[in-house]
Amino acid sequence: DQQVKQNSPSLSVQEGRISILNCDYTNSMFDYFLWYKKYPAEGPTFLISISSIKDKNEDGRFTVFLNKSAKHLSLHIVPSQPGDSAVYFCAARGAQKLVFGQGTRLTINP
Amino acid sequence: KAGVTQTPRYLIKTRGQQVTLSCSPISGHRSVSWYQQTPGQGLQFLFEYFSETQRNKGNFPGRFSGRQFSNSRSEMNVSTLELGDSALYLCASSLGQDLYEQYFGPGTRLTVT
Repeated sequence: DQQVKQNSPSLSVQEGRISILNCDYTNSMFDYFLWYKKYPAEGPTFLISISSIKDKNEDGRFTVFLNKSAKHLSLHIVPSQPGDSAVYFCAARGAQKLVFGQGTRLTINP
Repeated sequence: KAGVTQTPRYLIKTRGQQVTLSCSPISGHRSVSWYQQTPGQGLQFLFEYFSETQRNKGNFPGRFSGRQFSNSRSEMNVSTLELGDSALYLCASSLGQDLYEQYFGPGTRLTVT
């Protein structure tokens, strides 16, 4: 069973606009959530994280929102830049392991 | 500080063969995790080692095994390769046991023919 789901396999956004990537989870025992970015031929790179006791964490252009009641988190990128084009994975920590979503390919158009 | 390194980067094997992949974590990191990435499946957790002990294992058959050495370097082995084992195998290291901020290597691309 897929405990962490990214229902949008791809997203296309115009440069300068906001990119919103979504992630849903089913296990209420997850205590920590992370976003990773992956370029082709490279391993994923940690972007930003949020503890389950918070509902928002911001780092520069990246903000992660957590809605525990809806078991939903989102990553906002403002403004979107061409270098943000990559595959984004959300991950949740529970039972001493990270569970990853399937990834969303973000394309930023000039 | 050097990042996570994985060798080899690319590998082509035949069905039925076995393969060993290697991972060197960031210096000082004691936790090493392995993941399999296939198109549409995201990253599937294989196993995690901390101080030479396997702490957790994902839902993979016994053909997949691993170990960690005293210097924290880790290897994973896949025996009796199947076509479906073709994937990118990623290794990640973290400082402690909490899996906070795992740092990934570039991966080993395994192709089984």
